[in-house]
Amino acid sequence: SQQGEEDPQALSIQEGENATMNCSYKTSINNLQWYRQNSGRGLVHLILIRSNEREKHSGRLRVTLDTSKKSSSLLITASRAADTASYFCATDVTTDSWGKLQFGAGTQVVVTP
Amino acid sequence: GAGVSQSPRYKVAKRGQDVALRCDPISGHVSLFWYQQALGQGPEFLTYFQNEAQLDKSGLPSDRFFAERPEGSVSTLKIQRTQQEDSAVYLCASSRQQGMNTEAFFGQGTRLTVV
Repeated sequence: SQQGEEDPQALSIQEGENATMNCSYKTSINNLQWYRQNSGRGLVHLILIRSNEREKHSGRLRVTLDTSKKSSSLLITASRAADTASYFCATDVTTDSWGKLQFGAGTQVVVTP
Repeated sequence: GAGVSQSPRYKVAKRGQDVALRCDPISGHVSLFWYQQALGQGPEFLTYFQNEAQLDKSGLPSDRFFAERPEGSVSTLKIQRTQQEDSAVYLCASSRQQGMNTEAFFGQGTRLTVV
């Protein structure tokens, strides 16, 4: 079963626009992570936000976390064609803290030139 | 190596055939994970190793699935008597140490197609 649910399932934007996707989850978490997956490639780690953090930035990426609403958002600013990929949120919920991740079904982002 | 390496990249198996999928984690990484990703879905956890010890195999879908990491480095995921529902991408990930808030590095996966 998948812990997270991403919204929207698909997103199509033009280069230079911002892309926002959301993730909701069900149980308490240690941290929430966002990954990117290009066609035919493995998952690439983008950013990790701990349960006691509310916002984090990395380059053109901004992640927020609201544990009271059990939700997170990923914002990609000034998108590029190379940002075309599927984006997954993943939550670490293990009580013994060894890093098992539960993924959502992902948001497919297409950035057109 | 520079990253997590998986082989083969692609595998076509006839239904009923046994397959073995290999994962070479990043050197020195203690933790190793296997995930299964069906088409259009996110990865689903299969099993976890800390060094050579398999600490969690709760995600293995049936007793046809078996994983090992005998020397605490390379791992093999074996699927016996493959079925069509086993068709998926199998991803391996490793991380430097046990513990939360540790980044996991994923391989490119093995795409298994059972015909």
